[in-house]
Amino acid sequence: AQSVTQPDIHITVSEGASLELRCNYSYGATPYLFWYVQSPGQGLQLLLKYFSGDTLVQGIKGFEAEFKRSQSSFNLRKPSVHWSDAAEYFCAVGSSGTASKLTFGTGTRLQVTL
Amino acid sequence: DAGITQSPRHKVTETGTPVTLRCHQTENHRYMYWYRQDPGHGLRLIHYSYGVKDTDKGEVSDGYSVSRSKTEDFLLTLESATSSQTSVYFCAIRDSSGNQPQHFGDGTRLSIL
Repeated sequence: AQSVTQPDIHITVSEGASLELRCNYSYGATPYLFWYVQSPGQGLQLLLKYFSGDTLVQGIKGFEAEFKRSQSSFNLRKPSVHWSDAAEYFCAVGSSGTASKLTFGTGTRLQVTL
Repeated sequence: DAGITQSPRHKVTETGTPVTLRCHQTENHRYMYWYRQDPGHGLRLIHYSYGVKDTDKGEVSDGYSVSRSKTEDFLLTLESATSSQTSVYFCAIRDSSGNQPQHFGDGTRLSIL
């Protein structure tokens, strides 16, 4: 069965500092990987996705993530965090079947201090 | 925005009553999904649909049923609501062409007293 682990429940960074959110997955085949962001009271917005090819993927809002098969990881990074990035971030792995069901991690809440 | 409307956005009801949540899409996407979000659990799949009248169970389907009579509508029903079903419910849709991500609605906050 597929699973996702986000080891950090809560992270605080200063505005302008770099950010890395960790995500480890378990999946038997080549995974489809996603990062979503959720602001309070809102739905989930797709930040970026990995299906195949280049292991460094660029997303919206200046985010990027790197797929590392040897480490079963898909960490999210941003070189300089803005106060508006404060939100909850979810990593997800999708099954390769046609339904592509998602399994989510438990999320990392990001707080940004000014 | 992905053209997804969830209704109602908020609902408070009592234990034992039936509840139906609606997801409406304007994208004509084949796949639709219902998730619930609870603290410490992330989002968990309840049911999904891969076409009109074609549905299947997810990981937390007990106590829930779904129906899809039209491409654009996917209904989630709690036949007899329990307090453990208090949650935020999200609908998602996905296009069937190529590798496509799921796009989410704004959620329904359901409280069962």
